Amino acid sequence: GQNIDQPTEMTATEGAIVQINCTYQTSGFNGLFWYQQHAGEAPTFLSYNVLDGLEEKGRFSSFLSRSKGYSYLLLKELQMKDSASYLCAPLGGSYIPTFGRGTSLIVHP
Amino acid sequence: DTGVSQDPRHKITKRGQNVTFRCDPISEHNRLYWYRQTLGQGPEFLTYFQNEAQLEKSRLLSDRFSAERPKGSFSTLEIQRTEQGDSAMYLCASSPRGLAGALNEQFFGPGTRLTVL
Repeated sequence: GQNIDQPTEMTATEGAIVQINCTYQTSGFNGLFWYQQHAGEAPTFLSYNVLDGLEEKGRFSSFLSRSKGYSYLLLKELQMKDSASYLCAPLGGSYIPTFGRGTSLIVHP
Repeated sequence: DTGVSQDPRHKITKRGQNVTFRCDPISEHNRLYWYRQTLGQGPEFLTYFQNEAQLEKSRLLSDRFSAERPKGSFSTLEIQRTEQGDSAMYLCASSPRGLAGALNEQFFGPGTRLTVL
């Protein structure tokens, strides 16, 4: 089976840095996605990691450790518009992503 | 607009009625996925197609649910004899192909919100 664990909710201040952790167990592994989802909207792609290490893309970075079944999403220079749910989704052996419950990030002034 | 589209965006129905949703994927994408999402949860996989072939169905998908993709382009999801527990957002996503690498990125449609009274 597949098991994904990420915090339910986090709060942070505008301009700060926040790290959202995700641990997972999957049957087979073909990478891990992070998606952003604003309330009432569809998820949008943020990042994809298939090899260990850090992938940086502007204000967002994502890290993967396959041996530890661990990933994190790092958001820098937080803006109010970053308030959203962040979904960790490992890609199993069938190339179907399994989504976690998501971490609701609240950015306040 | 060349993104994934879904129709209708909202559907209200009475318990016991049948409903059908449509998804039009991005034209060059050969994989199409259906998910269900309830409040406070991540998207839950229902089924997916590679071209017109339905390759996998979730064990959570009861016999009341059926999906088709007759010509490998648009897809329909039908729910028969709806129940109140079917109330959810139904999301469709497409991806370019089933190979390793960033090509597996899924592009989501806006979803169809179903309310069963």
